[in-house]
Amino acid sequence: DAGVIQSPRHEVTEMGQEVTLRCKPISGHDYLFWYRQTMMRGLELLIYFNNNVPIDDSGMPEDRFSAKMPNASFSTLKIQPSEPRDSAVYFCASSLWTSGSDEQFFGPGTRLTVL
Amino acid sequence: QKEVEQNSGPLSVPEGAIASLNCTYSDRVSQSFFWYRQYSGKSPELIMSIYSNGDKEDGRFTAQLNKASQYVSLLIRDSQPSDSATYLCAVNNFVTNTGNQFYFGTGTSLTVIP
Repeated sequence: DAGVIQSPRHEVTEMGQEVTLRCKPISGHDYLFWYRQTMMRGLELLIYFNNNVPIDDSGMPEDRFSAKMPNASFSTLKIQPSEPRDSAVYFCASSLWTSGSDEQFFGPGTRLTVL
Repeated sequence: QKEVEQNSGPLSVPEGAIASLNCTYSDRVSQSFFWYRQYSGKSPELIMSIYSNGDKEDGRFTAQLNKASQYVSLLIRDSQPSDSATYLCAVNNFVTNTGNQFYFGTGTSLTVIP
């Protein structure tokens, strides 16, 4: 399997612009997670989906952030408008929930810089 | 109180020694426990999962879980310079009605000195 795929790997944008991050989970996985990692706050869970349905978005910092999962093989995280404090590495992870196993596998991440 | 706490380090050990990484968690309903390794500029990589009390060994790695003490640790035997990374502890508090509550610690930085 190719693993979790994220695009773009790097994104540099200016404050106020819309940013869309993309994720393709591992085929067959039924959970998808979006995380943000910064030096100050570590790895934070933003939102997760089960079978394409958002289950918990309590980690989404503001209304400027939104996430969708239109099908089992694709998800987006959108920031509109972007701000410099959104600069971070954004990870997508997926897992398959089975009895006795809920391991998450991470994509390579998108490094976002908002100027 | 944070859900998952780790000593941020840095922890330095000589090559060939045993590295011991520790993690405590606050919620007694936590059911699943994980150790991830993260190299600088890379994504977290799962190295161990443990679900029941006791030890679980995989090669040079041993995870230890003590639910009564709410404590999970990772031992790395015969440490190698390539083990130098940040190690993240994670727990999952799966609750039937609300699903996963997945928390990561802030990580412990390990340096293995040749």
